[in-house]
Parts: sequence; C-alpha cells; structure tokens
Amino acid sequence: DIQMTQSPSTVSAFIGDRVTITCRASQDIVSWLAWFQQKPGKAPKLLMYDGSKLNSGVPSRFSGSGSGTEFTLTISSLQPDDFGTYYCQQYKSYSWTFGQGTKVEI
Amino acid sequence: QVQLQESGPGLVKPSETLSLTCSVSGTSVTNNYYYWGWIRQPPGRGLEWIGNVYTSGTTYFNPSLKSRVSLSLDTSTNQFSLSLDSVSVADTAIYFCARGHRRVVVPSASDSWGQGILVTVSS
Repeated sequence: DIQMTQSPSTVSAFIGDRVTITCRASQDIVSWLAWFQQKPGKAPKLLMYDGSKLNSGVPSRFSGSGSGTEFTLTISSLQPDDFGTYYCQQYKSYSWTFGQGTKVEI
Repeated sequence: QVQLQESGPGLVKPSETLSLTCSVSGTSVTNNYYYWGWIRQPPGRGLEWIGNVYTSGTTYFNPSLKSRVSLSLDTSTNQFSLSLDSVSVADTAIYFCARGHRRVVVPSASDSWGQGILVTVSS
C-alpha cells in the first residue's frame, strides 16, 4: 500500500494568514492526489484533484502543488469558513489511501 | 445535480453482515462516465477508503477489507450497495457513499458524497 503522511497534524492561524499543509507519499504517485476539507458532522468536500486542479466552486485562495512524492495545499489568505480538517488522498494505485488529516484552527 | 443518500441499519451485532445502500438521484448508476464508491470514518478518526464499483461490474477494494467486502449496482432501483461480512467493533464508523469520474488513465477523486450514516457494531 502507498502510505500518505500529512504535516502538521494541527495548524492554528489568524484570519488573513497564509497556511500550508504538506502531504508526502511513500512512493511516486505522479500527480494523482486530491485534497478534501471536512467540517464536523459533514461529508468531506473535494477541493483539489490531480495535485493542482481546483474543483468547481472552490475559492481561488486554495491552491495545490507538487508531484511525485511531495505535495502541498496552500490557503493564501485564511478565512473564517476555512476551519476544519484537511485530508490528502492518493488514487494512483488500485488501493486508494488517505493521509491522517490536518486540523486547521482559526 | 447528483445526490447520494446512504441507508441501512444503524446497529449491527458482532459477526453479522453490515449491509448499506446508496440511493442515487440526478444521474444513473449505469452511466459509464462514473464509478461508485464507499469510504468510512471511525468516530473521531480519519478516512478509510473501502472500495469502488464500475458500471462494468469491476470492483477494487482496500486490501485490508477485501476478504470481507462486496459491492454491487442495482440498475432497477438506481442504487449501489455495500456488504461487509463478519463485522467487529472495529467496523463501527460513519459510512459514506461517493461518486467519481472515470478517465482514461486513472479515475478522478470522488467529487460527490452522501451525508454519511453511522453504523455501530455492538451486541
């Protein structure tokens, strides 16, 4: 299985801050990586796919970069609605795996 | 706009079979552009991919669950289903159904999700 490791586990930031979350894969996943945002009691919401493509309706303050084994999700200017837990997911192999999550606190 | 809704028992006894259904509206489960999948989340913990099913009937599963899980499509009711055998307390989780797009190289990430259903395994 491909293991996905996110860092940090928790990030506390102020409104307007730039926030970066990192996801590392245990082997090359090309660009087959997605980022999800999950709020308490809700289903995950797809933010980014294929490493850097913004899903429809997602604010442009979110961006993704990286390829191979290291990826980042950046929130350029943190907004009150951005609290929640963020997960990366690889879909290169036939066995998909998620990172353990990063909690973003405002 | 596609909508997905999970249904099934909220309580299952250990060693029994967990069976859930996802009702789809806004598109057909026979649409070849899509795959259908299940993901679960133990209370207070992270996400775990369970598996995907395609309109061809092809399925892919998490290796850790492969021996106990099956997925199927029901075209007559526009639903797809999850069956997990020999459950234990460790299978207690919120179960989400989801849809994604088939593509030539690899499928896309799941972009539409149900709200989730909590299934508790307890005697």
